[in-house]
Amino acid sequence: AQSVSQHNHHVILSEAASLELGCNYSYGGTVNLFWYVQYPGQHLQLLLKYFSGDPLVKGIKGFEAEFIKSKFSFNLRKPSVQWSDTAEYFCAVTNNLFFGTGTRLTVIP
Amino acid sequence: DTEVTQTPKHLVMGMTNKKSLKCEQHMGHRAMYWYKQKAKKPPELMFVYSYEKLSINESVPSRFSPECPNSSLLNLHLHALQPEDSALYLCASSLSKGETQYFGPGTRLLVL
Repeated sequence: AQSVSQHNHHVILSEAASLELGCNYSYGGTVNLFWYVQYPGQHLQLLLKYFSGDPLVKGIKGFEAEFIKSKFSFNLRKPSVQWSDTAEYFCAVTNNLFFGTGTRLTVIP
Repeated sequence: DTEVTQTPKHLVMGMTNKKSLKCEQHMGHRAMYWYKQKAKKPPELMFVYSYEKLSINESVPSRFSPECPNSSLLNLHLHALQPEDSALYLCASSLSKGETQYFGPGTRLLVL
């Protein structure tokens, strides 16, 4: 069975703070990994993805994520958040997008 | 054209009504998906079509009936829904199954 765990349900940061959102997965096969973002009132957008190759992947808007196979993790990072990063962030795995429960990020100006 | 469109944006229906949700993409994608998203929850996969054939049905009740008339269109027919079916219904498409999915804005459904 596949599962995705996002440890942080709600994260509150001040602008310019660094961000790391955790994602751990359980899946028996080769994984494709994704981070999606859902801004308030907007549709899901792809932030970044990992299929193979360099385990450190860079996405849009200064986000990056690192795939650590031994830890079954795919954590999302951003060195300095902005108020406009306030959104819901979803980690997802495998071909049919099994989503984690999501992390709500609130950035305080 | 690099987007997935969904109509209507909002829908209110009674439990005896029949309605349909529509999804369209013109990116040449051959896989299309329906998801259901309740408030403050992640999207849950309902159906997957690959090359216009139903590939996955995630144990969805028969009151939801998908249809893929061609490679650009995906419908979700609704009949005799329950109030707990109220949710945001998302459509997505990808080049093929397993590739990056692109999401539409969703249809917000309220069942009275």
